[in-house]
Amino acid sequence: GAGVSQSPRYKVAKRGQDVALRCDPISGHVSLFWYQQALGQGPEFLTYFQNEAQLDKSGLPSDRFFAERPEGSVSTLKIQRTQQEDSAVYLCASSLGRLAGGPGTGELFFGEGSRLTVL
Amino acid sequence: SQQGEEDPQALSIQEGENATMNCSYKTSINNLQWYRQNSGRGLVHLILIRSNEREKHSGRLRVTLDTSKKSSSLLITASRAADTASYFCALLTGGGNKLTFGTGTQLKVEL
Repeated sequence: GAGVSQSPRYKVAKRGQDVALRCDPISGHVSLFWYQQALGQGPEFLTYFQNEAQLDKSGLPSDRFFAERPEGSVSTLKIQRTQQEDSAVYLCASSLGRLAGGPGTGELFFGEGSRLTVL
Repeated sequence: SQQGEEDPQALSIQEGENATMNCSYKTSINNLQWYRQNSGRGLVHLILIRSNEREKHSGRLRVTLDTSKKSSSLLITASRAADTASYFCALLTGGGNKLTFGTGTQLKVEL
């Protein structure tokens, strides 16, 4: 597609439920990032993929968070046993290559985000 | 953790005025980028300035970078109501594989 697509746009979960958020990056983009954005805050880095390899998961807040990109295109962020503090907007972004020294302009292209509310 | 701090947190101006927002940081950087976010939407890239550059222009945007003071500023000239949004600086540091975003400046441009 023309841009980064995320689904669902809105998700309401009861505490303890598992959720899965999907990201469809721009076709051909090698790098894929997940960010978490709390209300009124800037995006916080969660994890980074280069093709199918998860090269950095230092931002994942707990072992309840898991991300995958098995074929190097679509990615899924899974949150197990959701807690109220998981309520946030989850943003996916892609980039043509590595942000530094790779092809492309070094900018991120963001999706519209998935807003998760945990009751 | 947010590595960029933006100032002011909120800014309200009249249409036609200039808007200036600042970003300060603590680490050395590869480049610094500015993004805009309209309410409830994703972020949109505005401009990128590399660590060896001091000033860049793009349309009504002007970005400066002072690596000795570890600060950057974004100037929007002749603002329009459509410029109302949150603006974030983002730092590319270290190995260069992730952008770290600042706390944001909420800009409101009134008619």
